[in-house]
This record gives sequence, C-alpha cells and structure tokens, in this order.
Amino acid sequence: EDQVTQSPEALRLQEGESSSLNCSYTVSGLRGLFWYRQDPGKGPEFLFTLYSAGEEKEKERLKATLTKKESFLHITAPKPEDSATYLCAVQPTMNYGGSQGNLIFGKGTKLSVKP
Amino acid sequence: NAGVTQTPKFRILKIGQSMTLQCAQDMNHNYMYWYRQDPGMGLKLIYYSVGAGITDKGEVPNGYNVSRSTTEDFPLRLELAAPSQTSVYFCATRQGLYSPLHFGNGTRLTVT
Repeated sequence: EDQVTQSPEALRLQEGESSSLNCSYTVSGLRGLFWYRQDPGKGPEFLFTLYSAGEEKEKERLKATLTKKESFLHITAPKPEDSATYLCAVQPTMNYGGSQGNLIFGKGTKLSVKP
Repeated sequence: NAGVTQTPKFRILKIGQSMTLQCAQDMNHNYMYWYRQDPGMGLKLIYYSVGAGITDKGEVPNGYNVSRSTTEDFPLRLELAAPSQTSVYFCATRQGLYSPLHFGNGTRLTVT
C-alpha cells in the first residue's frame, strides 16, 4: 500500500535555529513528490515539486531534497513568519483502483518559530 | 485572477440536511479535485474531474456527488448529511496530470 509518513508531527524552533522536516514514502513508483505550506484557515500553498532522487529545489530559507525513500525540507535560519503546517504528498506512477493522478498526502508537520 | 474560489467558508448543517459546496476557478484548468481534511489526517480525495462532463470517484466518495458542466465550476453535493461528514473541504485544480495542485481556501462544515 502506498504510504507517506511525515516527522516530527510538531516542531518548535527559536528564530534562527535551522532544522529539517522529514517525509518518508512507500510507493511502487514515484511520479513526483510535492511540498506544500498550509497556514491556519487556508488551503495548502504549493512550494516545490521533486521528480527524481538527488534533485534539490530552493526558495528563500527553504530547501527540499529527495532520495529514493524520503524527502527533507531544510529550513535555514527560520523566522516567525515560517510558522505553518508543511505537507508532503507523493504521486505514484500507478494509482490502484482509479483516482487518476491522485496525490497521497502525509499528515503534516506543524512548525512553530518563536522570536 | 482569483484562482480557486470556494463558497461558503463556513456552514453548519443538521443531520439529514443537504447542501452544495461551490468551487469556481479562473485558471482554465481541466483537472479539478475535491478533498476533505480531518484533524490529524492527511487530505483524502473524494471526487475528481478531468474535464467538463467527466467525473470519477476518489478514495472516499460515499455520501457525496459531483457534476462538471463547465470547465470553471465543480460543485460538491452532500445528500443526507451525517456527523461523519464534519470536515474541512478543499477544492483544487491542476493544469496537467503531473502538475502541482492549486487549492482554494476551503469550506469548514459541521454536521450536528
């Protein structure tokens, strides 16, 4: 069964304290891995897509990396405005039982950055 | 350019009532999706559409129905609301089958 597990569930950081969020996945084949940011009361906002092991993407203080089993979202010198829930989702190459192109979402990591 | 617009933002229903959650997009995307998000759970796919006139079930379709008569609109219908349908509902679109999803800001539904 295709599965996505994110850890930790919650992470508290001091402003400027760098850390990483983990997304481990089990799929028969990976079409793509997506990272989203979700603020309270809002819909998920797209951050990155990664397609193959070894690939890296960066945006401001965020850097996403991908291996064959997991992805990391590295946050360098975070600021309070980086506080949000970060969601990871994978798109398998095959969706069993239909649901063409469906993404399998993890439960998210809630990040809090204190000033 | 509004992107994906969902209405209403909040709704309280009594058990057995029906309602339609509205989703409209102005990005001209063919692919549209309805997800539900429950506390501590990942987003689950309810229904999706690959274009006007074409819809199909996702992982958790029971108790819901959809229609897609235009590219822009993808309403989700709840018949005979049950407490298990208390959730936050998100509509999303994508340009292509492997493109990122673009989400609306959700409808928070409570069934009591």
